[in-house]
Amino acid sequence: IQLTQSPSSLSASVGDRVTITCRASQGISSYLAWYQQKPGKAPNLLIYAASILESGVPSRFSGSGSGTEFTLTISSLQPEDFATYYCQQLNTYPLTFGPGTKVDIK
Amino acid sequence: QLQLRESGPGLVKPSETLSLTCSVSGASISTPDCYWGWIRQPPGKGLEWIASIYYSGSTYYNPSLQSRVTVSQDTSRNQFSLELRSVTAADTAVYYCARLVFTSLYFYYYMDVWGKGTTVTVSS
Repeated sequence: IQLTQSPSSLSASVGDRVTITCRASQGISSYLAWYQQKPGKAPNLLIYAASILESGVPSRFSGSGSGTEFTLTISSLQPEDFATYYCQQLNTYPLTFGPGTKVDIK
Repeated sequence: QLQLRESGPGLVKPSETLSLTCSVSGASISTPDCYWGWIRQPPGKGLEWIASIYYSGSTYYNPSLQSRVTVSQDTSRNQFSLELRSVTAADTAVYYCARLVFTSLYFYYYMDVWGKGTTVTVSS
């Protein structure tokens, strides 16, 4: 199952609302997770089951969608949110990741 | 607190075998509650799932690497390992190990704990 993400990169300001889309090449129900990765660090889980916020993750992060189209929303971008975001499908082996969306400072 | 730590050579020669170990502390790898996996990231690129192993010994491989990969576990040492044979420069990457858990309802899977990663360079 192939995943695409849009946009591939975006520039935003602190306080902005940011939305990232992940599309699957076939239906994956809600078997989707979102990760944040900062340079030189391992990915960090944000959302699983498409919309469930991982414990300890700020509530400004939210996920939605099912089937083939999913979104990650950051309601008010904070300085620590500048990073690359990946979606991952866990419906079918092989597990696959999207190509990533880099969020940087405008 | 669960921690995963990757270890192994940082430099491997082309055509040789890359061997990495993930040491797990704070939880037993012999639990039926989760899987354990390997993921890699070439320099400047995205994430690629390599393989996963379950406590029973069942293994799952990425078809793109399956002919060259073996994942195994050592429950006495609470470790699991990755072996990648016949490496080329394209295998140069940061290699991560991670825990793959699932919810009791609907079995939604996700990778909740990752190691810090280890950089492996394939070069003569």
